[in-house]
Amino acid sequence: AQTVTQSQPEMSVQEAETVTLSCTYDTSESNYYLFWYKQPPSRQMILVIRQEAYKQQNATENRFSVNFQKAAKSFSLKISDSQLGDTAMYFCAFMKLTSGTYKYIFGTGTRLKVLA
Amino acid sequence: DAGVTQSPTHLIKTRGQQVTLRCSPKSGHDTVSWYQQALGQGPQFIFQYYEEEERQRGNFPDRFSGHQFPNYSSELNVNALLLGDSALYLCASSRPGGIYNEQFFGPGTRLTVL
Repeated sequence: AQTVTQSQPEMSVQEAETVTLSCTYDTSESNYYLFWYKQPPSRQMILVIRQEAYKQQNATENRFSVNFQKAAKSFSLKISDSQLGDTAMYFCAFMKLTSGTYKYIFGTGTRLKVLA
Repeated sequence: DAGVTQSPTHLIKTRGQQVTLRCSPKSGHDTVSWYQQALGQGPQFIFQYYEEEERQRGNFPDRFSGHQFPNYSSELNVNALLLGDSALYLCASSRPGGIYNEQFFGPGTRLTVL
């Protein structure tokens, strides 16, 4: 069974600084997808960034980028130029497509606080 | 375009009661997944509905059941409520096909069992 581990329950960063959130996962699959989701205090989960396991190039979305190390089963999220609006819970998630169906496995989350 | 909507926003029940939560998927989406998010935890997959059938299920007891209607909306039913069922219940929808299925989440229903 797949598992996702986020070892940093809480982190803080000064506004405009850079922060990296860690995520490791365990799977025997070779083709899968990884995601970072953001859950602000208003609760609605929002997709931040995704990475296809078959792609070697690390995904980037504006100030968000990932460091995907497939052999090490590591998938960290880097947030550059942190903004107050980045304050939220961040969840790492694993997804495998199987015969047209799928499910997501989420980590326990990292609470990020951006300080003014 | 309305996103995923859920009702009610909050709900308080007592042990042993039954509860029904509702979800309307994003326009154009036909697959609905339900998750339970306990306080301080990540979402746990309950089950997924497509074409009005449950096609995948997580590690949840039979007290948790669901339904999907022809308009793709969905309900989550929980019978014989336990204190441990207190959680945020999230619904997520996705489109059919594609290389991968991005999920869009609703705001959730906060269930408190007393």
